[in-house]
Amino acid sequence: DAEITQSPRHKITETGRQVTLACHQTWNHNNMFWYRQDLGHGLRLIHYSYGVQDTNKGEVSDGYSVSRSNTEDLPLTLESAASSQTSVYFCASSSPTGLNTGELFFGEGSRLTVL
Amino acid sequence: EDQVTQSPEALRLQEGESSSLNCSYTVSGLRGLFWYRQDPGKGPEFLFTLYSAGEEKEKERLKATLTKKESFLHITAPKPEDSATYLCAVQAAPGNTGKLIFGQGTTLQVKP
Repeated sequence: DAEITQSPRHKITETGRQVTLACHQTWNHNNMFWYRQDLGHGLRLIHYSYGVQDTNKGEVSDGYSVSRSNTEDLPLTLESAASSQTSVYFCASSSPTGLNTGELFFGEGSRLTVL
Repeated sequence: EDQVTQSPEALRLQEGESSSLNCSYTVSGLRGLFWYRQDPGKGPEFLFTLYSAGEEKEKERLKATLTKKESFLHITAPKPEDSATYLCAVQAAPGNTGKLIFGQGTTLQVKP
């Protein structure tokens, strides 16, 4: 079965360190997204991609970057982790065609703690 | 500014006690409204898409409805396994494919 997997599931790091969260999907979806989820804010869009070599900034992109070298992967990098980036991060993908472009398939999440 | 507000934040029901969750939205042009279910420690799972006012979708004990300003998720005779956080999201025109704006969610607890 097709799926979307995130790693690591849990990560503790220190302020100032670079962190990369991996996202791999086997749906063959062109659209991929990174969201963060915090109490009181719900899910907020960080970055998204509509295909290989395409990346776009979302609502809360400062301090984050992504790259898309193939269809399956969209890694999220925190260049210099800050305590404000402590959160649960969700990767998602969707098909670009048809009516259900908003039907996102989410990973299980990566819980990041920045000390 | 596009915005989604869900109420209540939390809802406790007895098994069999029907109720509704509300999702109010303000968008420049609605391309679609989506309901997701999220279990603790898991990613959200897609439930429904609604595209136009008057539209309704049903799945087991859940029924989603849409007006020009809000959506309701009606839960009929809920069971404990319906306990979860329910998220509402909108996709605004013009067609930023898959970009969703989420509400903060309603956490539902159904007691046996």
